Amino acid sequence: GENVEQHPSTLSVQEGDSAVIKCTYSDSASNYFPWYKQELGKRPQLIIDIRSNVGEKKDQRIAVTLNKTAKHFSLHITETQPEDSAVYFCAASPEAAGNKLTFGGGTRVLVKP
Amino acid sequence: EAGVAQSPRYKIIEKRQSVAFWCNPISGHATLYWYQQILGQGPKLLIQFQNNGVVDDSQLPKDRFSAERLKGVDSTLKIQPAKLEDSAVYLCASSPLTGGPNTQYFGPGTRLTVL
Repeated sequence: GENVEQHPSTLSVQEGDSAVIKCTYSDSASNYFPWYKQELGKRPQLIIDIRSNVGEKKDQRIAVTLNKTAKHFSLHITETQPEDSAVYFCAASPEAAGNKLTFGGGTRVLVKP
Repeated sequence: EAGVAQSPRYKIIEKRQSVAFWCNPISGHATLYWYQQILGQGPKLLIQFQNNGVVDDSQLPKDRFSAERLKGVDSTLKIQPAKLEDSAVYLCASSPLTGGPNTQYFGPGTRLTVL
């Protein structure tokens, strides 16, 4: 089955700096890659996703890049703010698996004012 | 649009006791998922339903866990008997049934503590 590795496990950045989280996946059939943000004690919420027919997607301060050849994808947060502090999870899904998501282990991001 | 509802939000039980969690997905969402999230880890899929049929239960510990979605709407997940290692947050998610991969919307979760 699919295996998703996520790095780093913790990331501390100064407010205004950029944050980058990287994920690798094992199943070449995966074609959907969402990113979820989970604040302490709350539900995971989708912040951005990318499908395999594009290499990059951007939404304001958040961008995701995908390299299908290397089987890795990354989340980029620019101009970080204290409210960006949370745990971020990447996930991968092969369409043939009925939308089954396999999650990475998570990255705890701390934005210091 | 109302979100995914779960109850209870918290549950504390002794090991070997049984427990049940309830989930009501977003109206019209055909696919429902139960995930287990152990502290410090990503969610792990336990079971996936499409309408009232099971699509994937390969990671469900079937000797103690069971789940049902009898009318294709709400769902219950049961653990009997519970073990210490079952302490986790149990998340329910739902997604619509349309072509291609779809966004999964999560409920607030049930935090289970097994003593």
